[in-house]
Amino acid sequence: DGGITQSPKYLFRKEGQNVTLSCEQNLNHDAMYWYRQDPGQGLRLIYYSQIVNDFQKGDIAEGYSVSREKKESFPLTVTSAQKNPTAFYLCASSIGYEQFFGPGTRLTVL
Amino acid sequence: GENVEQHPSTLSVQEGDSAVIKCTYSDSASNYFPWYKQELGKRPQLIIDIRSNVGEKKDQRIAVTLNKTAKHFSLHITETQPEDSAVYFCAAKRESGLFFGNEKLTFGTGTRLTIIP
Repeated sequence: DGGITQSPKYLFRKEGQNVTLSCEQNLNHDAMYWYRQDPGQGLRLIYYSQIVNDFQKGDIAEGYSVSREKKESFPLTVTSAQKNPTAFYLCASSIGYEQFFGPGTRLTVL
Repeated sequence: GENVEQHPSTLSVQEGDSAVIKCTYSDSASNYFPWYKQELGKRPQLIIDIRSNVGEKKDQRIAVTLNKTAKHFSLHITETQPEDSAVYFCAAKRESGLFFGNEKLTFGTGTRLTIIP
């Protein structure tokens, strides 16, 4: 899991602004995922990508967008349409059965 | 789609005692069941997993059991220590041939385990 990086660690945004969270991996994993975690809650899937140039909506995709132009990168944009974006965002990648997580980005809307 | 339920949501045990967390899943085709441990403010870490072709797997103080007929699996931690305090998540997925390793995991809602010294 040390090969998955997320930046920034903390992010503050004003209401009405779009913001992009970075996720990079050097593990040569095909699949990448974005999860949202609220305090005391579980992991909810936002988007996932099984292969470059393809991605699917997860359970809570509304107000979010992604791209997968490179195998190593899977950025997540939190748009102004997301009404309650304050949360901890986790990126993950997988190979075989196992899935590994990045360190997370804590987004706070002011 | 898959639905995973996890119980209990909170669990407190005396140091040295055992802890058991249980999960049920709905999709009988699910064939991979990992457990993750998440410490406060940190990323979830894979601690043990089991595939549907075995009924039990053990790694030192941690074991996982799987009952495919009843569609439930459990995490067992023996001789608990203060560092076992964390949130534990179970998950399930169905691995198919086309995108092996690339299917999505469905997570349980988590169990906050507290070890009492």
